[in-house]
Amino acid sequence: SAVISQKPSRDICQRGTSLTIQCQVDSQVTMMFWYRQQPGQSLTLIATANQGSEATYESGFVIDKFPISRPNLTFSTLTVSNMSPEDSSIYLCSVPFVGGDYGYTFGSGTRLTVV
Amino acid sequence: GENVEQHPSTLSVQEGDSAVIKCTYSDSASNYFPWYKQELGKGPQLIIDIRSNVGEKKDQRIAVTLNKTAKHFSLHITETQPEDSAVYFCAAITNAGKSTFGDGTTLTVKP
Repeated sequence: SAVISQKPSRDICQRGTSLTIQCQVDSQVTMMFWYRQQPGQSLTLIATANQGSEATYESGFVIDKFPISRPNLTFSTLTVSNMSPEDSSIYLCSVPFVGGDYGYTFGSGTRLTVV
Repeated sequence: GENVEQHPSTLSVQEGDSAVIKCTYSDSASNYFPWYKQELGKGPQLIIDIRSNVGEKKDQRIAVTLNKTAKHFSLHITETQPEDSAVYFCAAITNAGKSTFGDGTTLTVKP
């Protein structure tokens, strides 16, 4: 499976500011997924990022709040904009397995606290 | 859209006992069902998965069963050990890669 490097691993941010989270994959992948995990809760898909096209957002998530970049097949960023305490969560990226196996790998996550 | 229900939300067992976690899904387009283990401070890690054309899969102490007709699948952990303590998530995924996760089960294995 692919190896994902996600950073930062954690951050404490002031409300009203923005934070950009980066995911670097050691293999080329067509699709990358961004998830949010609110405290004590499950994972919710924010958007799917395909290289060369606009990200596809799930219901309840909008591009103005969570802009995504996907400049190449190994890298993506998620920005959490104009943050409020409700944005305090773990944000994770995920990619499909490479090499023919079926499955998904997750990054280690970014633990965001907004104060 | 897809809805995945996971039970129980918490599970406590004695070391050496078995643990069973169950999930049901609603979307018949889902055809891939992974289970993830998430330890504190870490991202979810895939522990076992099953595709819709298979009814059961086993990997050492861990097994997953799938009843596609009834739309439910289960994780079975035998001979539990304290290091199995974690939060476990099931997921239902479509061919397009759209994932829906269960709410998670906090498993505690008491030594």
